[in-house]
Amino acid sequence: EAGVTQSPTHLIKTRGQQATLRCSPISGHTSVYWYQQALGLGLQFLLWYDEGEERNRGNFPPRFSGRQFPNYSSELNVNALELEDSALYLCASSSRQVPYEQYFGPGTRLTVT
Amino acid sequence: TQLLEQSPQFLSIQEGENLTVYCNSSSVFSSLQWYRQEPGEGPVLLVTVVTGGEVKKLKRLTFQFGDARKDSSLHITAAQPGDTGLYLCLRRGQNFVFGPGTRLSVLP
Repeated sequence: EAGVTQSPTHLIKTRGQQATLRCSPISGHTSVYWYQQALGLGLQFLLWYDEGEERNRGNFPPRFSGRQFPNYSSELNVNALELEDSALYLCASSSRQVPYEQYFGPGTRLTVT
Repeated sequence: TQLLEQSPQFLSIQEGENLTVYCNSSSVFSSLQWYRQEPGEGPVLLVTVVTGGEVKKLKRLTFQFGDARKDSSLHITAAQPGDTGLYLCLRRGQNFVFGPGTRLSVLP
């Protein structure tokens, strides 16, 4: 069974640009979660999507947004990039049957210069 | 704010030693997951604990959930270099909160 996949692996953008990160959940999983792991700050919860709806978001500004598609894959968009947005962005998925167990992808390393 | 604390922050031990790391909160967990993360990779789920007082074993790893469901511990017996990594606990409350992690280094 394939795990959670994320693309791209690495992304380099300049300040003020927009970034789009993609995530494909484990087959059969309906929830997708996004986290930011910046150096020295630990894993911070960004967004939770389930059945195409945003269920909850963490303490991040509105320029962090996303969506979940009918096939349960997801996009995270970051607008007006700032240097502090440089981080590893991790996506996780969970099933309807065991909603509290999250399985993570390898992450997208975003560098803002 | 529902914060998680983990201790110790760093731990460096020799191969074969035993160790325990902790995850604590001021509020009750409905469930708690333990993960291990290696540099540049996503966290890997180790275990989920749900019931107060629950003990789960995964080979040399023993996970315990406190009776009051406010704390959890991870004990590793006879640590090996392959156990090296960042150990994280995750709780689900209003949102999802990770602890800051314990960075373990097992030296051969």
